[in-house]
Amino acid sequence: EAGVTQFPSHSVIEKGQTVTLRCDPISGHDNLYWYRRVMGKEIKFLLHFVKESKQDESGMPNNRFLAERTGGTYSTLKVQPAELEDSGVYFCASSQGPTKTNTQYFGPGTRLTVL
Amino acid sequence: GNSVTQMEGPVTLSEEAFLTINCTYTATGYPSLFWYVQYPGEGLQLLLKATKADDKGSNKGFEATYRKETTSFHLEKGSVQVSDSAVYFCALTPSSGSARQLTFGSGTQLTVLP
Repeated sequence: EAGVTQFPSHSVIEKGQTVTLRCDPISGHDNLYWYRRVMGKEIKFLLHFVKESKQDESGMPNNRFLAERTGGTYSTLKVQPAELEDSGVYFCASSQGPTKTNTQYFGPGTRLTVL
Repeated sequence: GNSVTQMEGPVTLSEEAFLTINCTYTATGYPSLFWYVQYPGEGLQLLLKATKADDKGSNKGFEATYRKETTSFHLEKGSVQVSDSAVYFCALTPSSGSARQLTFGSGTQLTVLP
């Protein structure tokens, strides 16, 4: 069974440009999460999808970030326009169910550098 | 709100040394507790977990016990190997409500020298 995949693995862009990150969860996992780790600090929650619906987007930092999960399969996270402080590693995770015992499986992350 | 405080690194040990990475948490009720590991160039992997008080999670020689009285979930390994060099993250999910996101500690970089 394939794990969570993320694309691209690295992205280097100029301030003000747009970047779109993609996450493909494990097949059959209804729950999809986005997290990010900025400047070697703790990993912070961004948002949570259940199928195609946003269950919780309380961690989204501002309206420059837009996440979608059309059809309830893969998800995209768009940053527009990117700022210097957006640099970091963006992780995606998926889980089968929402209960606290359901393990979240993480992708390898996308390292975003904004110059 | 929920929070996780993790022993700051970096930690450098010699092979076969004993490892402890401290982790304490703040949360209401009985959250689930996790240790995730990130090896160089890879994503986060679940190392072990515990879902109720006094549970012990274990995997690959690592252990952690859910201590409600001290709100702790310290990671231990009796004899580390060079291949254990990685960043270790302590995390929790809440015990109730619809929110299921993980709250992470800041991570501890472990380097094991031969």
